[in-house]
Amino acid sequence: NAGVTQTPKFQVLKTGQSMTLQCAQDMNHNSMYWYRQDPGMGLRLIYYSASEGTTDKGEVPNGYNVSRLNKREFSLRLESAAPSQTSVYFCASSDRRVLAFFGQGTRLTVV
Amino acid sequence: GQQVMQIPQYQHVQEGEDFTTYCNSSTTLSNIQWYKQRPGGHPVFLIQLVKSGEVKKQKRLTFQFGEAKKNSSLHITATQTTDVGTYFCADPSQGGSEKLVFGKGTKLTVNP
Repeated sequence: NAGVTQTPKFQVLKTGQSMTLQCAQDMNHNSMYWYRQDPGMGLRLIYYSASEGTTDKGEVPNGYNVSRLNKREFSLRLESAAPSQTSVYFCASSDRRVLAFFGQGTRLTVV
Repeated sequence: GQQVMQIPQYQHVQEGEDFTTYCNSSTTLSNIQWYKQRPGGHPVFLIQLVKSGEVKKQKRLTFQFGEAKKNSSLHITATQTTDVGTYFCADPSQGGSEKLVFGKGTKLTVNP
């Protein structure tokens, strides 16, 4: 099925460990996004990429890096995980500011 | 910081009652989007409003875009338990960029 695929679905990390969240879309969208969702905080934009080869900071970029590997893939990396990064992470894609499609989410716990 | 403010943050209703959530911006919006997220799920697009004063309906849901394009509302008539979830408004072109910024959402619970 067409859509946005995120991996992994669940992850537990120890403080200081690193990991990369993968995201791929097969809708030929130009824009891709990474959000985190915490209780009472809504969806906060971490980074976005308006096109292949470009990335820009969102509202809460500290502690994260991203790579727009190609048009399909947009990864989010945590170099040194902290408990404050415990959250649910969503990847999304869209084209020309039309509706965004979201992945299923990654539930990350940092202990 | 976030420029799209959404109220209320929580709303609990009895089944059959109406529900409204409001989205306000300090700047003029080019358009606005609404999404619904079921508990444990991911946000799903509902609608996009583009024109000043626009009103769109989807069955029991009515979406409005203010005349000044600085506010929007989502009204649900006669809520059902299937309406449970969090409703988000989103600004898909904040500052003219490709940013897609969401309000904090309104979490709706429905008592059967």
